[in-house]
Parts: sequence; structure tokens; C-alpha cells
Amino acid sequence: SAVISQKPSRDICQRGTSLTIQCQVDSQVTMMFWYRQQPGQSLTLIATANQGSEATYESGFVIDKFPISRPNLTFSTLTVSNMSPEDSSIYLCSVRGSGRASEQFFGPGTRLTVL
Amino acid sequence: GENVEQHPSTLSVQEGDSAVIKCTYSDSASNYFPWYKQELGKRPQLIIDIRSNVGEKKDQRIAVTLNKTAKHFSLHITETQPEDSAVYFCAASKRSGGSNYKLTFGKGTLLTVNP
Repeated sequence: SAVISQKPSRDICQRGTSLTIQCQVDSQVTMMFWYRQQPGQSLTLIATANQGSEATYESGFVIDKFPISRPNLTFSTLTVSNMSPEDSSIYLCSVRGSGRASEQFFGPGTRLTVL
Repeated sequence: GENVEQHPSTLSVQEGDSAVIKCTYSDSASNYFPWYKQELGKRPQLIIDIRSNVGEKKDQRIAVTLNKTAKHFSLHITETQPEDSAVYFCAASKRSGGSNYKLTFGKGTLLTVNP
């Protein structure tokens, strides 16, 4: 499976500020996703990062709050904008490879705490 | 959209016993069902998956069964070991239409294997 890295691994931020999280994959992948995992909870899909076009957001998530970039097939960023304590979560990127395989693999996550 | 229900939320077994976790899904078009294991502070790890064209799949001590008619699937772990202790998530997705292969997760099961 692909090797996925995320930066930063964790951060503590002040409310009202923004944080950009990077996801890097060691091989080209067809699809990249961003998930949120609130403390003790399951994973919720934020959006699908589309290469060369705007991301596809899930219900409850908007581009102004979570702008996403995907400039190529190995890299994506998620920005958490105008943060509040409710944004404290683990943010994970995941990737799906090419071909008929449906497997998705997760990055190590970014633990965000908003004060 | 898809809704995935997972039971039980917690499960405690003695080492060597079997553990069974069950999930139901709502969208009959879903055709891919992975299971993830997440240890504390770690990323979710894909442990086994099943596609809708098969009813059962086994990998050593882990097996998954799928009943398409009833729209439920289960994870079976035999001869449990303390290192099996983790949170297990089921998920569902579909490879057709505009779903983009996105995963919808159950709420998770905390499995504790007591030595």
C-alpha cells in the first residue's frame, strides 16, 4: 500500500486562526479524501479532493470553512479556517489507489486542539 | 445517503474466545465493505474487506460474512489475543454513480481481550 504522511502531526491553535494540513503520498493515487474524527467518535468524511478541480464536500461541510487543494496526484492540503474549540479533532487524509481495488488507506492524522 | 449501524459499541472477551461485531447498512447499492482496526493514538488500519459478489472471506483468525438480502455484514475474530484489543470500524461504499467510492463508517466497537 502507499506510504502516506501528514504535516503537522499535531498543533494547538488559537480560536479565529487557520491551520493548513498537508497530505503527501509516495505514489500517484486516483482519489484522496479528508476525514474528521472527533474525540472518541467515528470517522466522518469532509470532502473528496479532486485533482485539478474543486473538492466535493459532504453535507454539513463547506468550502469557506474547509478549503482543499489538490495540485497533483500525490499531494493535498486541507485548511481549517476561522477555528473554534468545536474544530478540535483528528483530521485524516485517506487515499484510494488505481485499478479495480477499492481499498482505502489512511494517513497518520493531525491532532488539532483549538483553545 | 448511506447509513451504517454497528453493534455492540463495546465488547469484552476472554483471551482465546471468539468475538463477533455486526453492522447493517441502508443503501442496497453499496457493494464494498471494509473493516478497520484502530489502536489508541494510531491511524485506522484496513484488516479485511468483502465485496458484494461473495458471501464470506477469511484471513487467518479473521473472517467477514455478508448477507446482501438482509443488508448486514459481520466481523468474526477467533482465538482472540490481547493484541486484538482496539476499536473496530465497519464501513460501506459503492463503486457506481457519483459516490466517488466514499466510505460511510459505523460508530465503532471497542473490543477488549482480557488475558
